[in-house]
Amino acid sequence: KNQVEQSPQSLIILEGKNCTLQCNYTVSPFSNLRWYKQDTGRGPVSLTIMTFSENTKSNGRYTATLDADTKQSSLHITASQLSDSASYICVVSVFSGGYNKLIFGAGTRLAVHP
Amino acid sequence: DAMVIQNPRYQVTQFGKPVTLSCSQTLNHNVMYWYQQKSSQAPKLLFHYYDKDFNNEADTPDNFQSRRPNTSFCFLDIRSPGLGDAAMYLCATSRVSREGEQYFGPGTRLTVT
Repeated sequence: KNQVEQSPQSLIILEGKNCTLQCNYTVSPFSNLRWYKQDTGRGPVSLTIMTFSENTKSNGRYTATLDADTKQSSLHITASQLSDSASYICVVSVFSGGYNKLIFGAGTRLAVHP
Repeated sequence: DAMVIQNPRYQVTQFGKPVTLSCSQTLNHNVMYWYQQKSSQAPKLLFHYYDKDFNNEADTPDNFQSRRPNTSFCFLDIRSPGLGDAAMYLCATSRVSREGEQYFGPGTRLTVT
């Protein structure tokens, strides 16, 4: 069964600190892995996308890693800001029938406190 | 510039009263999707259009229908909303490719009274 599991479920950190979010998946056939940021009441916004052959991808203070052998990914946030408070969703896609079907994790809810 | 636009952002409807949510895109993408997202849950795919071909997920209730009159627009019709249909409804679009990223709209929050 295609599944994406994320940990922790929620996280509280102080402004300026770093944090790492984890994602494990059992999805086949794997197409790519994405991290989305979703602010409360808004649609998800893509942060990074990685294919099978990519190990790391950065987008500003966000750095995602992928280990396709162990089927694990992480999202590292550096020097957190209050605006980083959001849900971070790991999404693995399966390419079938001409489109990418997305398998969503439940998300990690991050709260950055001053 | 907004690329995937959803209207309205907030919709209140009465139990059993049909409601239509709309989505438009300026990306000229072939594929459009409708997701339902309930509080603190992951988005759940309801259906998608590949050009004019409609693809329904197996567990999408018959109460939910969709129309895509042209490339730019897609509508979600809920024929008889129940209290359990209150949720955020997300529209997304993508190109037809393995790397085709899905771009999400801001969502429409539906309340059923």
